[in-house]
Amino acid sequence: GAGVSQSPSNKVTEKGKDVELRCDPISGHTALYWYRQSLGQGLEFLIYFQGNSAPDKSGLPSDRFSAERTGGSVSTLTIQRTQQEDSAVYLCASSSRQANTGELFFGEGSRLTVL
Amino acid sequence: AQRVTQPEKLLSVFKGAPVELKCNYSYSGSPELFWYVQYSRQRLQLLLRHISRESIKGFTADLNKGETSFHLKKPFAQEEDSAMYYCALKGTGGGNKLTFGTGTQLKVEL
Repeated sequence: GAGVSQSPSNKVTEKGKDVELRCDPISGHTALYWYRQSLGQGLEFLIYFQGNSAPDKSGLPSDRFSAERTGGSVSTLTIQRTQQEDSAVYLCASSSRQANTGELFFGEGSRLTVL
Repeated sequence: AQRVTQPEKLLSVFKGAPVELKCNYSYSGSPELFWYVQYSRQRLQLLLRHISRESIKGFTADLNKGETSFHLKKPFAQEEDSAMYYCALKGTGGGNKLTFGTGTQLKVEL
């Protein structure tokens, strides 16, 4: 499809386990963003990749969170030693650098539940 | 630092009534403001941006720099307007990185 694709759509894990969430952006989009959506917190910015520039990691809540983007396309968000407060929907978005209009194209999200 | 405040978690109105979703921001520079919407079981998507000064699905929003507000308005609510609405701010630099508010759930009742 032409939209942002995320997997898995749902993930249930036990506290202390590591999880990986994947994002496949729209083809040709150079910018990729990760946000976390939770009740009462709205959308929290996590990390932003723009082309080959160093990522903006200013939103990562702890060193248990990391993300990489391989080949300027697919991105993986990794959460190590998950905690119950990590339970949320993790949204990925992409945008075209040429269209610096503030329009982000979001995926359907990965719902993470930490038991 | 930039911040977006949406004071209402839930706004319930009757069909045909006017709607105003409040948004206030804090930013020292010249911001760009947006409204995003998420309908049930759909992806989050852009509704409108202040620069365009457009009306989308009957919704408008005016940037008031004096009051640092960007409230979303519609004169007559429709049932299909029921959704989660997020106000967002884009600062200078940082590409399209947006700071979002906590969102307001709009429920339009018949």
